[in-house]
Amino acid sequence: KAGVTQTPRYLIKTRGQQVTLSCSPISGHRSVSWYQQTPGQGLQFLFEYFSETQRNKGNFPGRFSGRQFSNSRSEMNVSTLELGDSALYLCASSLSGGGAGYNEQFFGPGTRLTVL
Amino acid sequence: AQSVTQPDIHITVSEGASLELRCNYSYGATPYLFWYVQSPGQGLQLLLKYFSGDTLVQGIKGFEAEFKRSQSSFNLRKPSVHWSDAAEYFCAVGASGAGSYQLTFGKGTKLSVIP
Repeated sequence: KAGVTQTPRYLIKTRGQQVTLSCSPISGHRSVSWYQQTPGQGLQFLFEYFSETQRNKGNFPGRFSGRQFSNSRSEMNVSTLELGDSALYLCASSLSGGGAGYNEQFFGPGTRLTVL
Repeated sequence: AQSVTQPDIHITVSEGASLELRCNYSYGATPYLFWYVQSPGQGLQLLLKYFSGDTLVQGIKGFEAEFKRSQSSFNLRKPSVHWSDAAEYFCAVGASGAGSYQLTFGKGTKLSVIP
């Protein structure tokens, strides 16, 4: 069974631009969560989608948004990029359940975003 | 709100030596606890998890962890470290907060292994 895939793997943008990252979960998984990883803040939860609905949301500004499609694939979008948005963005999928915290999450390799 | 503390930022051990990585959590109820490992340029791989039951949990790659409620700890151990274990290790708690469920991670412990 294929793992979680994320595209692109690397991305370079300039301040003010917007970016869209894509995540394909493991087949049969309906929950997709997104995390931001930076050296200073570590791993921080962005949001979780389940059956095309945002179920949980972390403490990030509205510039960060996401969506999930009927095939469970998910995209996250960051608008008006800032230098501080440079990070590794990780996507994780899980089967389902009562919430992201109660399920084993399988992580993709991440998208490395650099904002210049 | 839940939190996770990994007191050791960086640990260096010799190959073949034993290993213990510390993790303390803060949460009002019984937490769901996880240890993940991240190799350079890679995503996170789940080593083991604790949901309930036996407080000593066995994971992959010869790792184990013990849940101690009285100490709010979930330390990761391995009796004999291999050079391939060099990576960064993250402890996480899955818990509810502000009406939602999410994983909260510690800042990680980087493990270096001396051959």
